[in-house]
Amino acid sequence: AQKVTQAQTEISVVEKEDVTLDCVYETRDTTYYLFWYKQPPSGELVFLIRRNSFDEQNEISGRYSWNFQKSTSSFNFTITASQVVDSAVYFCALSEASGYSTLTFGKGTMLLVSP
Amino acid sequence: ETGVTQTPRHLVMGMTNKKSLKCEQHLGHNAMYWYKQSAKKPLELMFVYSLEERVENNSVPSRFSPECPNSSHLFLHLHTLQPEDSALYLCASSQEARKTSYNEQFFGPGTRLTVL
Repeated sequence: AQKVTQAQTEISVVEKEDVTLDCVYETRDTTYYLFWYKQPPSGELVFLIRRNSFDEQNEISGRYSWNFQKSTSSFNFTITASQVVDSAVYFCALSEASGYSTLTFGKGTMLLVSP
Repeated sequence: ETGVTQTPRHLVMGMTNKKSLKCEQHLGHNAMYWYKQSAKKPLELMFVYSLEERVENNSVPSRFSPECPNSSHLFLHLHTLQPEDSALYLCASSQEARKTSYNEQFFGPGTRLTVL
C-alpha cells in the first residue's frame, strides 16, 4: 500500500525566511510519480510539480526548489525568501504507475508567512 | 469559464435532505474525480470516472451517489448524510485516467458541505 507522510502540521515563518516542507513516501512500485500541490484559502488545489521515480534530478523554479532522494524516500520542497502570498496548505502526493491515475495525499503542511 | 468549476461553493443540509454537488470541466478532459477533504485527514479519493464510466469506487457509502452524464460534467448526489460527512468536496479532471503516462489532475475550488 502506498502512503505519504508530512510530519509538519504547521510552520510559521517571517517573510524572506527560507522554509523547507518535508515529505516522506512509501510504495512497493518501482515506477511512481510524486507531486506537490498548493491549497490557498480559496480552496482549489494548485499543481506545483510532478516528478517521476526515474528522475532524481533536483528542480528549481524561481523561489521554489525540490529535493528528491530515493534512498530516503523523500521529496522535500523548499521556498526561498518566503512571501506572504506563499501562505497556504501544501500537499505532497504519490501516484503509482499501475491502474488509474489516483493520488494518495499526505495530510498537508500549513505554512503561515507573516510580514 | 475555464478550468474546473464547482457549484455550490457552500452547502448546509440536514440529515434528511437530498442535495447534489455539480462539477464542470472546460478542459476537454476524459477523466473526472471526486475527493473528500475532512479536517485533519488526508484528501481521500472517492470516485474516478473515465469516459463517463465509473472505474473506481473507493469504498464510499451508498449515501453518496455519483453521476457522470458526459465527460464535462460530474455530479455527486447526497442523501441521508451524517454530520461526519461534513467536509470539503473537491472535483478534479485529467486528460486520461489510465496511467500510460501520467496526466495532471486539475482541481476545482471545492464545495464546503456542512451536515446538521
